[in-house]
Amino acid sequence: GAVVSQHPSWVICKSGTSVKIECRSLDFQATTMFWYRQFPKQSLMLMATSNEGSKATYEQGVEKDKFLINHASLTLSTLTVTSAHPEDSSFYICSARWLDLRMPQYFGPGTRLLVL
Amino acid sequence: SQQGEEDPQALSIQEGENATMNCSYKTSINNLQWYRQNSGRGLVHLILIRSNEREKHSGRLRVTLDTSKKSSSLLITASRAADTASYFCATDFQGAQKLVFGQGTRLTINP
Repeated sequence: GAVVSQHPSWVICKSGTSVKIECRSLDFQATTMFWYRQFPKQSLMLMATSNEGSKATYEQGVEKDKFLINHASLTLSTLTVTSAHPEDSSFYICSARWLDLRMPQYFGPGTRLLVL
Repeated sequence: SQQGEEDPQALSIQEGENATMNCSYKTSINNLQWYRQNSGRGLVHLILIRSNEREKHSGRLRVTLDTSKKSSSLLITASRAADTASYFCATDFQGAQKLVFGQGTRLTINP
């Protein structure tokens, strides 16, 4: 069964609004969670890495004020797309991993965001 | 860029045939993972191979790793129409706390 869940699975919003996406690890405590975005027919691009209780580390070119990440607990991380614009429309996928780096990294089912 | 490269970008074969996808990367790794993604869906973890391993099997899947060549391959034997998907390799680089993805191979199995 799924070990990482995301909510919502899809969202349509108006330009200028903010959208929050939740990522939960099920049945395990994720020391680190990751947020990726994926454009059609392209690979996943890492946006940021978040550790529980600390600030997220953003990849080069990702606006931290635009994409707010909160990792308040070992089972929940949230990504808020602030003042969304049509170019933010994408497929956002979170993933989670244990402290043991020998274990796989599991991914959520993704959230499709469409900004009108 | 640390991103791996996959080859081929697209592969179309007949059902029952074997499919081989290759992945190359640039720096030393802790492990390499293969994922499958159906269109519009999340990623499904297939196999993780550690840097000290050379080959791993899981059902119809066989993954090899050659750290001297910094490359890996994924073989799907006796392909089925349900194997149609995009396949990605992802490398866990030493010293980096993140997984970096290749461009992926779009596999189409024709019935």
